[in-house]
Amino acid sequence: EPEVTQTPSHQVTQMGQEVILRCVPISNHLYFYWYRQILGQKVEFLVSFYNNEISEKSEIFDDQFSVERPDGSNFTLKIRSTKLEDSAMYFCASNRGTGGLYGYTFGSGTRLTVV
Amino acid sequence: KQEVTQIPAALSVPEGENLVLNCSFTDSAIYNLQWFRQDPGKGLTSLLLIQSSQREQTSGRLNASLDKSSGRSTLYIAASQPGDSDTYLCASNAGNMLTFGGGTRLMVKP
Repeated sequence: EPEVTQTPSHQVTQMGQEVILRCVPISNHLYFYWYRQILGQKVEFLVSFYNNEISEKSEIFDDQFSVERPDGSNFTLKIRSTKLEDSAMYFCASNRGTGGLYGYTFGSGTRLTVV
Repeated sequence: KQEVTQIPAALSVPEGENLVLNCSFTDSAIYNLQWFRQDPGKGLTSLLLIQSSQREQTSGRLNASLDKSSGRSTLYIAASQPGDSDTYLCASNAGNMLTFGGGTRLMVKP
């Protein structure tokens, strides 16, 4: 069964450093997403991406965050200057379409620890 | 703004028992509802997708129901096994994003 692949599985970074989280969505999917889950809290939506641009973003997704699809397979989330409160599990997801016909497929996540 | 709530937050049952997990949502204008399971601190595995026009979906020992008008979904697990122990999340899809509930932590004791 096709999978969403995320790397690395765990990243530790110092406060103020830039991090890039990487994802390879399922090849025939058109919509890409980032979600995060702070320890003990709900999974929260960050951003959706379609046709090489952001289609929707939450209030969490401020100027410190950016997303990019640098080639035909990768989808990245960049945090420019990490803060302690950015420590969370970050999930990438993809979907074949929108409007609810299809379900989301999630990756196994990247655990980001900011020290 | 959509709010999704799951009850109970935690559940412990003996092996073999049938059980029901509950999910409620405040905005009934959803496209679908998806149930996931999550290993502690790990990824999300999709279990069932139920469209807004459907009343229920089944996969093996799992059955999910949806009542849009009352803003409720249930996940029924038949003949529970220790391997079912995990956190179960429901998520409503009202467009281009999912809104997740807080999850139910299930422990099935041998």
